[in-house]
Amino acid sequence: SYVLTQPPSVSVAPGKTARITCGGNNIGSKSVHWYQQKPGQAPVLVIYYDSDRPSGIPERFSGSNSGNTATLTISRVEAGDEADYYCQVWDSSSDVVFGGGTKLTVL
Amino acid sequence: QVQLQESGPGLVKPSQTLSLTCTVSGGSISSGSYYWSWIRQPAGKGLEWIGRIYTSGSTNYNPSLKSRVTISVDTSKNQFSLKLSSVTAADTAVYYCARDGFPAENWFDPWGQGTLVTVSS
Repeated sequence: SYVLTQPPSVSVAPGKTARITCGGNNIGSKSVHWYQQKPGQAPVLVIYYDSDRPSGIPERFSGSNSGNTATLTISRVEAGDEADYYCQVWDSSSDVVFGGGTKLTVL
Repeated sequence: QVQLQESGPGLVKPSQTLSLTCTVSGGSISSGSYYWSWIRQPAGKGLEWIGRIYTSGSTNYNPSLKSRVTISVDTSKNQFSLKLSSVTAADTAVYYCARDGFPAENWFDPWGQGTLVTVSS
């Protein structure tokens, strides 16, 4: 089965840039999607197709995907960005796969 | 704008069947080429995809749950449903329904607000 690996936590100061990684075997050949989940709320799609943003998602959110690592980048981090972030792919053998999630803490 | 809302019992006894319904509003469940999925999240843990259904009735299930899961759709009510049999405490989780763009746009958007199901006697 296909596995996605995320760091459990990432910390960043306000105004700085946060990078959250998602590792998987040759993940660069797959489309990666990212979700933001704030406490007590449902996940919200923030990036699809590696780097596209749904309407309403700030330009501060961007994504990239190459080789064995996909990255969600949040620029000019704000306190309101504090949340859990999950990556997700579709794999022909595993169907839907989610990463374990990364807790973003804004210092 | 499409919205989803889960409903069903919040407490289920061990060995019984968990039943939830997702009501879609703001659009027809039959419009577009969308599938409709169930996803769950135990407290403090990550997301687990349970399965999906198309309005034709075609389904795909997570292999780890396949033997216990049934997803159905009622287009007349704009609803789809989840049944999970022989539940144990390990099935205690927040259950979400979501629109699934499988296979081409294989992400989930939007999601319902989620409903907590506790398995306990």
